[in-house]
Amino acid sequence: EDQVTQSPEALRLQEGESSSLNCSYTVSGLRGLFWYRQDPGKGPEFLFTLYSAGEEKEKERLKATLTKKESFLHITAPKPEDSATYLCAVQALEETSGSRLTFGEGTQLTVNP
Amino acid sequence: KAGVTQTPRYLIKTRGQQVTLSCSPISGHRSVSWYQQTPGQGLQFLFEYFSETQRNKGNFPGRFSGRQFSNSRSEMNVSTLELGDSALYLCASSFTGHSYTFGSGTRLTVV
Repeated sequence: EDQVTQSPEALRLQEGESSSLNCSYTVSGLRGLFWYRQDPGKGPEFLFTLYSAGEEKEKERLKATLTKKESFLHITAPKPEDSATYLCAVQALEETSGSRLTFGEGTQLTVNP
Repeated sequence: KAGVTQTPRYLIKTRGQQVTLSCSPISGHRSVSWYQQTPGQGLQFLFEYFSETQRNKGNFPGRFSGRQFSNSRSEMNVSTLELGDSALYLCASSFTGHSYTFGSGTRLTVV
């Protein structure tokens, strides 16, 4: 069974204080690892898809990296508007005829001004 | 371009009733997936439809069902509602399977 564990559960940062969120996963074969951002009362907003170990993707202050067992979401010089819950999800190779994303519980990030 | 639209945004139902939720995907997206989000369980996969066919199903009881129409719009139905069905129900659409765009969800409260 696919499993995703995110840490920490909650993280408070000062504006400008860089940090990383962790996503550990267990899957029989990885088709893709997804990062989403979710604001209160809204649906998840797509950030990145990573496919193979060593891959990196960047968007503004966010950078996602992938190894064979985990992914990191690095946040550089965060701003208060980066406050949100960040969700990690995996899609297994066996799901070639459909989609099933297995999500972690998320990391609730708060950035104080 | 318009995003994924879910209606209604909020619903309050009584135990034992049934409910139907609607999802209109992004134009051109033929895959529609449904998820249930609760504080204790997080986001859990319900099912996926592609070209009017159910392609994949999660571990939910048969009270949860869905369908997709020829215009790719999808509905999910929950019969004999239980208190534990209170959740945010999210719909996601995809064109390529490399990214999934979520709607804002339907907040269902069962009393």
